[in-house]
Amino acid sequence: AQTVTQSQPEMSVQEAETVTLSCTYDTSENNYYLFWYKQPPSRQMILVIRQEAYKQQNATENRFSVNFQKAAKSFSLKISDSQLGDTAMYFCAFMKLGNNQGGKLIFGQGTELSVKP
Amino acid sequence: SQTIHQWPATLVQPVGSPLSLECTVEGTSNPNLYWYRQAAGRGLQLLFYSVGIGQISSEVPQNLSASRPQDRQFILSSKKLLLSDSGFYLCAWSVMGELFFGEGSRLTVL
Repeated sequence: AQTVTQSQPEMSVQEAETVTLSCTYDTSENNYYLFWYKQPPSRQMILVIRQEAYKQQNATENRFSVNFQKAAKSFSLKISDSQLGDTAMYFCAFMKLGNNQGGKLIFGQGTELSVKP
Repeated sequence: SQTIHQWPATLVQPVGSPLSLECTVEGTSNPNLYWYRQAAGRGLQLLFYSVGIGQISSEVPQNLSASRPQDRQFILSSKKLLLSDSGFYLCAWSVMGELFFGEGSRLTVL
């Protein structure tokens, strides 16, 4: 069975600084997606970034980028130029592909990020 | 564009009472639909998913059930709620490996 581990329950960063959130996962699969979701106080889950396992290039989305290390099964999220609106709970998630597995996400426990002015 | 709605947003129910949470998706056909539960301060746990009308798969044994009476409607139910059913419930649909979540329903069982 797949597992996702986020070892940082809470983190804080000063506005405009850079912060990295850690995530490791365990799987024997070769085809999968990895995601970072953001859950602000409104509780709506918002996709931040997605990485396909077959792609070696790290995904980027504006101020958000990932460091995907497939062999090490590591998937960290870097937030550059942190903004107050980045304050939220961040979840790392794994999705196995194939056999109509789409949408069956395995989530980590989350990292609560606070951006301080 | 596709949208997903779920209701009610907030629900307070006594132990032993029934439950019905509804979710509808607009702007797409034959979506995969999901119910997730988030306990306080924790990640999301997949409860049910459906790949079509009347097709429901359960991920964990529990006091809840799901139904899909129409292509874009997904319902989460219980005949008798337990205290442990309290939590934040999220409906979602997927396309191309990406999940889109509804606004969530907060259930408090007293």
